[in-house]
Amino acid sequence: NAGVTQTPKFRILKIGQSMTLQCTQDMNHNYMYWYRQDPGMGLKLIYYSVGAGITDKGEVPNGYNVSRSTTEDFPLRLELAAPSQTSVYFCASSKLAGGYEQYFGPGTRLTVT
Amino acid sequence: AQSVTQPDIHITVSEGASLELRCNYSYGATPYLFWYVQSPGQGLQLLLKYFSGDTLVQGIKGFEAEFKRSQSSFNLRKPSVHWSDAAEYFCAAGGDTGRRALTFGSGTRLQVQP
Repeated sequence: NAGVTQTPKFRILKIGQSMTLQCTQDMNHNYMYWYRQDPGMGLKLIYYSVGAGITDKGEVPNGYNVSRSTTEDFPLRLELAAPSQTSVYFCASSKLAGGYEQYFGPGTRLTVT
Repeated sequence: AQSVTQPDIHITVSEGASLELRCNYSYGATPYLFWYVQSPGQGLQLLLKYFSGDTLVQGIKGFEAEFKRSQSSFNLRKPSVHWSDAAEYFCAAGGDTGRRALTFGSGTRLQVQP
């Protein structure tokens, strides 16, 4: 049981480039989330999904897109990278029943120059 | 608006000393409350959680937290800090039954002196 896995761990992008951050969970969780973490700012919700085929915006969705074709995978797409998207990105998941606790992946550190 | 405040950005304690990290929340109703720990370069690990019932909750690694409704607080405590506790600690709250998203505080960085 690997939990939540994210790839890549690190990435440097040039302004205007695109990339997809991968996230996979093997806990059969319905809910999945993408957060970004900026220094001194805590975590901000980018997008979330309550199940396969259902996604919705969080607090800071501009410049990002997501899809959820399976229960396991929740990729995050950056179409035109900007320096403001330099951050650490975390994927998380939580189960349908029971509490709200979320389980986090190890993160992707992205630098846009 | 829902918010979580961690007033202390950085705390330094000596190894073996007691620790208290503060967390205040602002929510319409009693939220679900969590403490997470993040070691450098790592993801967030759940330390403990409060949903209802006993207001003193025990977590992993010897941590505990007390929910005080009257003060809208959920402070994290440990009686004796170990050098390996040096990390960043995040308080989080949830209560939106739709998306189940958590609102995070800005974190408290703990440094442990030998």
